[in-house]
Amino acid sequence: GEDVEQSLFLSVREGDSSVINCTYTDSSSTYLYWYKQEPGAGLQLLTYIFSNMDMKQDQRLTVLLNKKDKHLSLRIADTQTGDSAIYFCAEKRGRGSGYALNFGKGTSLLVTP
Amino acid sequence: DADVTQTPRNRITKTGKRIMLECSQTKGHDRMYWYRQDPGLGLRLIYYSFDVKDINKGEISDGYSVSRQAQAKFSLSLESAIPNQTALYFCATRSSQGGGKETQYFGPGTRLLVL
Repeated sequence: GEDVEQSLFLSVREGDSSVINCTYTDSSSTYLYWYKQEPGAGLQLLTYIFSNMDMKQDQRLTVLLNKKDKHLSLRIADTQTGDSAIYFCAEKRGRGSGYALNFGKGTSLLVTP
Repeated sequence: DADVTQTPRNRITKTGKRIMLECSQTKGHDRMYWYRQDPGLGLRLIYYSFDVKDINKGEISDGYSVSRQAQAKFSLSLESAIPNQTALYFCATRSSQGGGKETQYFGPGTRLLVL
């Protein structure tokens, strides 16, 4: 499938905000997701946003969606060292692909003390 | 107990061997998926299944086969393993109910090394 694009690395200081950006491919995608993968672990769903929303906030997480530009971002407020992980953006594909998820390559977030 | 389990968690095998990776779920979901993760490449879809009698190829199905033995079980086989199949393999499940907002739930992954 076409690529979902993410920057590969981000480094922030503890207590700062982190913003991870993503550009997705399918303007008809109904749901967009953010997953977190800690070292040696599986994928943990962080949050998702429906395509008719511009913003979704969930505690320290804020998701912004710009459908016109097919741009998705994840903001983590007051970033902690435990937030260090790989973050994946994903869009839900259509029935022809079994509604599988099309993932970006992941952004490695490093939080330094 | 985990909702989606994968066995084995780690496996080392040799080129040419046939191996099977197993996935079981207790979520009662009808849809199941196998993905492969390579460093720097994200996750790519190998196979998916809408139900026991409905199995479909994903974008990288060559060299793999699957079996949906029951609604709760979905196995991935490497018929003749090769080194470039060394990767982290994830099983995922999803419900067809919920109006589309149902997300996928992932197993913990199987780390496979083909020598």
